[in-house]
Amino acid sequence: ETGVTQTPRHLVMGMTNKKSLKCEQHLGHNAMYWYKQSAKKPLELMFVYNFKEQTENNSVPSRFSPECPNSSHLFLHLHTLQPEDSALYLCASSGQVGSPGELFFGEGSRLTVL
Amino acid sequence: AQSVSQHNHHVILSEAASLELGCNYSYGGTVNLFWYVQYPGQHLQLLLKYFSGDPLVKGIKGFEAEFIKSKFSFNLRKPSVQWSDTAEYFCAVNAGGYNKLIFGAGTRLAVHP
Repeated sequence: ETGVTQTPRHLVMGMTNKKSLKCEQHLGHNAMYWYKQSAKKPLELMFVYNFKEQTENNSVPSRFSPECPNSSHLFLHLHTLQPEDSALYLCASSGQVGSPGELFFGEGSRLTVL
Repeated sequence: AQSVSQHNHHVILSEAASLELGCNYSYGGTVNLFWYVQYPGQHLQLLLKYFSGDPLVKGIKGFEAEFIKSKFSFNLRKPSVQWSDTAEYFCAVNAGGYNKLIFGAGTRLAVHP
């Protein structure tokens, strides 16, 4: 149990579908993150939210749309994805942006785009 | 741009062998350095971290890492590995006092009994 819960754990979708990934943290943290983990590649930072405000968008295509309604919840809305978007999507949280602290990761949502 | 290089993608060892995984980063200023581990089927978790002070840091499960500023390196070591150390290890750098961790590509370690 990490304190960061991601759902669903596995998702298969077609290129025309619309789906969402959900992340919830129970650690009282203020910052939340989306990372993409692909085989044999470094983890790619996608988005950072601090106190519900987006502070980082790492040139992510618009087919990925994040939403952070409060400091405990983070969503990643997916639409018209491509097969190369298949990957493990990791959510993380930390105490606050600007503090060089530890990130706490969820177990990830494995996405397959057909 | 900041980057992190991990020299080995796959390492295979027998139990009781010594381990050293290389990590180099590119950033000229103050850095905070991390090693994370991902056991099969589990989430990424922190192994150890360096912020300041003694450049030799000790983490969980007998792991340690040494920060060598002149070499921009933060290598991970363990004197005697166990089968349970089989996992993927990621080096990460947080530069500029901002919680934007840049990760390396990871090293997959397999320890045979």
